[in-house]
Amino acid sequence: QKEVEQDPGPLSVPEGAIVSLNCTYSNSAFQYFMWYRQYSRKGPELLMYTYSSGNKEDGRFTAQVDKSSKYISLFIRDSQPSDSATYLCAMSYTGNQFYFGTGTSLTVIP
Amino acid sequence: GAVVSQHPSWVICKSGTSVKIECRSLDFQATTMFWYRQFPKQSLMLMATSNEGSKATYEQGVEKDKFLINHASLTLSTLTVTSAHPEDSSFYICSAASGQGLFGYTFGSGTRLTVV
Repeated sequence: QKEVEQDPGPLSVPEGAIVSLNCTYSNSAFQYFMWYRQYSRKGPELLMYTYSSGNKEDGRFTAQVDKSSKYISLFIRDSQPSDSATYLCAMSYTGNQFYFGTGTSLTVIP
Repeated sequence: GAVVSQHPSWVICKSGTSVKIECRSLDFQATTMFWYRQFPKQSLMLMATSNEGSKATYEQGVEKDKFLINHASLTLSTLTVTSAHPEDSSFYICSAASGQGLFGYTFGSGTRLTVV
C-alpha cells in the first residue's frame, strides 16, 4: 500500500467553479500536511500546510485535514485559468522528509 | 524569495554513460539538499538527503554506487547517474532547505533524463 494516494485526474472545470482535490494516507504518524502547486516544467511550490488536524484558509484556498479518516483536501474557490497546474499533496512526520502523492492535473477552462 | 537552479532541464544519453545533474541555491546557503525521482504517473520519491561536507544519506532501495551525490559547498549539490540504463529514465528534482520552516524547502525545476 502506498503511503499517500492521490487521484491523478485529469480534472477539468469551468472558470469560477469550486475545485476539490483530495488525498488519503495510511500512516497515522504523519503530522504535517502540505499542498504543492507545480506548473509545467517548473518545480513544485508550497501553497499551504497544516500541522495536525483542522482547517486553514488563505485567500481562495482552504486546506482541510481529517486525521480520523486519514484524508486531506484542498478547496479552490472561484477558480481561475491561472490555477491550471498539477497539485501535489505531501505529508511528513517531522517536517523534513516528505511523502508525496502522484499529483492531480487541473485545468480551469475560461 | 529563495531560488534553486537545476541543470540541465533535460538530457538524453546513451546507455552505459554517466550523467551529472547540478542543483544550486542561488540566493541562500543550503546545508541540506534533497534529491527526488519521479516516474510517470507516480509520486515524487526521495532518493537521498545530501548534507554539505558529509556523505549523503540514501533511502532504502537506492543504489549509492549508481547515484553519486556530492555536496561540496553550501550552494551546490550534484547527482551523477553512473552507467545509466533505460530504466533510469525519469524526472529528477532537487530541493534545498533554506532554514525557514516548511516554506523554506525550495524545489528546482527538475531534470528529465532519457537513456537510450
